[in-house]
Amino acid sequence: GAGVSQSPSNKVTEKGKDVELRCDPISGHTALYWYRQSLGQGLEFLIYFQGNSAPDKSGLPSDRFSAERTGGSVSTLTIQRTQQEDSAVYLCASSRTSGVDFTEQYFGPGTRLTVT
Amino acid sequence: AQSVTQLDSHVSVSEGTPVLLRCNYSSSYSPSLFWYVQHPNKGLQLLLKYTSAATLVKGINGFEAEFKKSETSFHLTKPSAHMSDAAEYFCAQNTGGFKTIFGAGTRLFVKA
Repeated sequence: GAGVSQSPSNKVTEKGKDVELRCDPISGHTALYWYRQSLGQGLEFLIYFQGNSAPDKSGLPSDRFSAERTGGSVSTLTIQRTQQEDSAVYLCASSRTSGVDFTEQYFGPGTRLTVT
Repeated sequence: AQSVTQLDSHVSVSEGTPVLLRCNYSSSYSPSLFWYVQHPNKGLQLLLKYTSAATLVKGINGFEAEFKKSETSFHLTKPSAHMSDAAEYFCAQNTGGFKTIFGAGTRLFVKA
């Protein structure tokens, strides 16, 4: 596709349930990033993928959060046993890994997660 | 630790007047600096970037930013605000590698 896509756009879930958020990066972008944006806050880095491996998981807030990427393309962020403090917009971005523009990240529209 | 500081959480201007959104970055030998804009319920869109070429960077929609190493600043400006500029703006820094640090954001209000 032309840009980064994310699904679902909105997700309402009950506390304690598991959720999966999906990201489809721009074709050919080997780097993929997940961020969390809470109300009135900046972007909180969660995890970064280079291909299918995640050299930097330092931002994952707890062991309830995990992410994977398959085929160097689609990524899934999973939150287990959701808590109300997980409510936020989850943004995905992708970038190239070589060339002058490799640090420029292209963002998807985000998934708004509400935990009730 | 590296950090990006956006000095104003909110800025309000009248339509047709200049815009100034302030950003200070962590001192680094050769930073890459970015400004992104986020309209409501949208993802972030790149406005402009600095990658050690010209210190005055021009971006989309009439925005520009000036890299000042002595002040570790990368302020975003626009000569004349338009109603459609109302949005959240994020300054970001990359110092090599794949991790980009974002500021907390500045919400721009434009009054008619």
